Amino acid sequence: GAVVSQHPSRVICKSGTSVKIECRSLDFQATTMFWYRQFPKQSLMLMATSNEGSKATYEQGVEKDKFLINHASLTLSTLTVASAHPEDSSFYICSALVQHLTDTQYFGPGTRLTVL
Amino acid sequence: SQQGEEDPQALSIQEGENATMNCSYKTSINNLQWYRQNSGRGLVHLILIRSNEREKHSGRLRVTLDTSKKSSSLLITASRAADTASYFCATEGNTGGFKTIFGAGTRLFVKA
Repeated sequence: GAVVSQHPSRVICKSGTSVKIECRSLDFQATTMFWYRQFPKQSLMLMATSNEGSKATYEQGVEKDKFLINHASLTLSTLTVASAHPEDSSFYICSALVQHLTDTQYFGPGTRLTVL
Repeated sequence: SQQGEEDPQALSIQEGENATMNCSYKTSINNLQWYRQNSGRGLVHLILIRSNEREKHSGRLRVTLDTSKKSSSLLITASRAADTASYFCATEGNTGGFKTIFGAGTRLFVKA
């Protein structure tokens, strides 16, 4: 099946630093990727839809200047948390739509961000 | 806002028993999917049921969908300790492009 990877799997940083998370589709091309955020013991909240070659579409309440998304190729989307603060600590999960199969998205293993 | 609401929020059963989780949603959908998540891990896709389907099986999993009531259920038969995880329903709406909305999830604990 389709595989999506995320890097890093875990990151701890100081408040004020920026953190970049990569999401890669390993064996397929994904024109659309999604970024989710999950707080402990809660559900996944869609943050934004990332389309290759165009600007991401952010969900209501998600700051686009805080969560910078770049989808420069058909296999890579990046999420940069700018000037991270402790309240940004969360589990970030990406997913990718398999091209031509719009029903199925494949999820990455997630990135645990801890901001001190 | 989240579309799916799940019931119960938490469920504790003995190994061998069946576990039933329910999900309700608010708007029209193309399909509904169930996912599993082990603590601190990514999501595993379990099963997808389309809006024109009423029931689907996969191994020990049985999913039903009632579009008139905007609800779905996931039944895990003969549960095992390894089934301990959080289970989420997720809906894909039929307007405004592809977007998956997750329910709050049910935390299942299967005691050995």
